[in-house]
Formats: sequence, structure tokens, C-alpha cells
Amino acid sequence: QSALTQPPSASGSPGQPVTISCTGTSTDVGGYNYVSWYQQHPGKAPKLMIYEVSKRPSGVPDRFSGSKSGNTASLTVSGLQAEDEADYYCISYAGSNNVVFGGGTKLTVL
Amino acid sequence: QVQLVQSGAEVKKPGASVKVSCKASGYTFTSYRISWVRQAPGQGLEWMGWITTYNGNTNYAQKLQGRVTMTTDTSTSTAYMELRSLRSDDTAVYYCARGDQRYYFDYWGQGTLVTVSS
Repeated sequence: QSALTQPPSASGSPGQPVTISCTGTSTDVGGYNYVSWYQQHPGKAPKLMIYEVSKRPSGVPDRFSGSKSGNTASLTVSGLQAEDEADYYCISYAGSNNVVFGGGTKLTVL
Repeated sequence: QVQLVQSGAEVKKPGASVKVSCKASGYTFTSYRISWVRQAPGQGLEWMGWITTYNGNTNYAQKLQGRVTMTTDTSTSTAYMELRSLRSDDTAVYYCARGDQRYYFDYWGQGTLVTVSS
């Protein structure tokens, strides 16, 4: 499977919203509601932020939200904070017990 | 609390094999898959595959078919990932992660650096 397409970088000022996109096809993102998002700080393991497109695990701040339209999923961080600066990855189920990853987006808080 | 603790860093020569372990605690081991994900230096995450822990069924990324084997020891709640015929581009941090049946990974190990160098 081809990787999901994410912008290499995104940025925003503290307090502002920022949205990161994750574009796939009808056989992955568009075909299932199994998109998840992960935050990774340098030198650390990834952390689950959103699962099943828009559900937030316990402990994840509610300024993180997820959505999907067609073959594109999105992660929105409303009210950016300095600690949100990290790499973000999307993952989607792609059928036949396979998953496909996005290439990652580096989020910078200006 | 759920924890996945991985084995320590490894240095291997090209052509050798490496076996990384991932010991789970804090939950019923056979109720979740274990997935393996790697990250080359400065690069993104790459899914390697997963193992269904209650029956040992595996699903490997096409790119690694024939070189990777994932196993578990349910008596010790430990998962293993063996990668053979190592090349320099296998140099990466290798993570294990707990996989939910809804295809997300909610807990991750701390990562194991595998360096392949002559």
C-alpha cells in the first residue's frame, strides 16, 4: 500500500488553531472509520491522540480533535500550546488486516 | 498500569539477525495484538506487522515478507520480533505497540535502537 499523504510541516502561533491533513484513498481512509493520530516528541515513543477518526483517549486535552471527509482525515489543534510542538502521524486501516501510515507532519509553534 | 518494556540496544553486522523482545504487563496479554513499528534516523514511522497474541497469527508488511518473524511467549507475556539478513538501512529504533481490534495502537514500548554496521 502507498503511504498516506501528510504535509511535511505546519505551524501556528500560541492560542491559534492549526489543522493537519491526511489524505488516502477509498481503500483506506475513505473506506473505514479507523483513522488514528499520534504525537511524537523528539526521542520519545509515539502517543495516541485520536482513534476511530474522532475519539479522544482519556487524558488527551480536548483541544485535540479529529474528523474525516471522503478520503481525507484531519487533526485539529485548537488553542496551540508550546508543548504541542511535535511530529504528528496518521494511521488508517487498509483492509486485509493491514494498516498504512502517513509520512508525518512537523508542527511548529511560532 | 499497562507497560511494554523492550530489550536493550543492539549492534549487528550486515547479514546478521536481531531479535528484539517486548514484555507486556498490566493487562491480559492475549486480549490484544502486538504490532511492531520502526523509525530510521530522522525518518517517519514504518509499520512492520503484527501478531495476534491468542493464536499466533501474523500479518507482515509486504516489504519485509521473508525477513521478519514475530512470535510470542504467552507464559511470560512477551512478544518477539526477529529480523534477518540485516542491511544498513535496517538501522532504526524498533517499537512494539499494543494493538486494539479497531486498528489503533494505544500503548508503546520505549523503543530499541538497532544499529547495522560493519
